Amino acid sequence: KAGVTQTPRYLIKTRGQQVTLSCSPISGHRSVSWYQQTPGQGLQFLFEYFSETQRNKGNFPGRFSGRQFSNSRSEMNVSTLELGDSALYLCASKSTNTGELFFGEGSRLTVL
Amino acid sequence: QKEVEQDPGPLSVPEGAIVSLNCTYSNSAFQYFMWYRQYSRKGPELLMYTYSSGNKEDGRFTAQVDKSSKYISLFIRDSQPSDSATYLCAMSARDSNYQLIWGAGTKLIIKP
Repeated sequence: KAGVTQTPRYLIKTRGQQVTLSCSPISGHRSVSWYQQTPGQGLQFLFEYFSETQRNKGNFPGRFSGRQFSNSRSEMNVSTLELGDSALYLCASKSTNTGELFFGEGSRLTVL
Repeated sequence: QKEVEQDPGPLSVPEGAIVSLNCTYSNSAFQYFMWYRQYSRKGPELLMYTYSSGNKEDGRFTAQVDKSSKYISLFIRDSQPSDSATYLCAMSARDSNYQLIWGAGTKLIIKP
């Protein structure tokens, strides 16, 4: 069974640009969550999508947005990038049966 | 003050030692407690899951929850170099829709 797939794995952007990250959950999982991970702040919850609807949202500015498609694949977008947005962005899909989160390997974003 | 506090380490111990990793928390409503392990350049993976107070053992790993002290621990017996990773605690409560709150993670190094 394929795991959670995130693309791209690495990317470099400059301040003011925008970025879109993609996540394909495990087949059959309908819930997808996004997290930002930095050395100083640890794992910070961004948002969760379930059946194309945002179910929960963390405490991030409106520059961070996401969406989910009918096949459960999800994208997150960050506009007007700032240096502080440099981080590892992790996607997790949730098992409907057990509630366990399965994480992808992340997309490492560097903002110059 | 963060809801969940975890010493980021690094914690370096010799192979074969017993390792103790800990988190403290402030929200008495937390009922579900998890430990995740994250290897370098990988996403976190669920290691142990405990509901409410008590101990849970799985092979060389023991998770302990003390709700009266708002303190959780993960013990690793007969530690191996392959246990070298970052260990993150996470917890949730029903009244916050089971949204996971994460510790910052402790980097563990097992020296051969």
